[in-house]
Amino acid sequence: NAGVMQNPRHLVRRRGQEARLRCSPMKGHSHVYWYRQLPEEGLKFMVYLQKENIIDESGMPKERFSAEFPKEGPSILRIQQVVRGDSAAYFCASSPEGRASYEQYFGPGTRLTVT
Amino acid sequence: LAKTTQPISMDSYEGQEVNITCSHNNIATNDYITWYQQFPSQGPRFIIQGYKTKVTNEVASLFIPADRKSSTLSLPRVSLSDTAVYYCLVGEDSSASKIIFGSGTRLSIRP
Repeated sequence: NAGVMQNPRHLVRRRGQEARLRCSPMKGHSHVYWYRQLPEEGLKFMVYLQKENIIDESGMPKERFSAEFPKEGPSILRIQQVVRGDSAAYFCASSPEGRASYEQYFGPGTRLTVT
Repeated sequence: LAKTTQPISMDSYEGQEVNITCSHNNIATNDYITWYQQFPSQGPRFIIQGYKTKVTNEVASLFIPADRKSSTLSLPRVSLSDTAVYYCLVGEDSSASKIIFGSGTRLSIRP
């Protein structure tokens, strides 16, 4: 059973461009979570999604950031008009339906660098 | 979500047993205690979870006293590869929800 997959692993964008980060949860998992980790800081929750639904987006910046988890395909975290402060590691995690919520399986992350 | 307090950093040597204690005075009846490990440049990895007394798996043991106001993650015979940040989390486990990560404990293992 493949783990959580994220791509790209590294992404470089210039200020003002768009960044699209993809996350494929573990097989059989229907819950997806996105977290952001700034350099030398802890992980911060951004958004929690189930298929076609955003359940909790309390950690998402109000502007420029959006997330989706379509019925088919990976979950996408989209950052429009990136700024240098968006440079961070973005981790995706998944958990199965009906299983322990604190037992989440994390992907390897996407490291976004904004130049 | 109950607030947790754990040491910012700890040092130890290869072959030693390492115990990391986490305080959670406001833990609620339905809360579980969960520990994660994060290596540099990697995503966190679930280590162990418990509710009371003692839980053991192939990686670690988790000791929880009767009042549940603290817990201790025990790593037996650590090696250099155990150098990582360890996060203690407390919360209700009845349904999937976000994880609030604190600062964690940065464990450094020396030869």
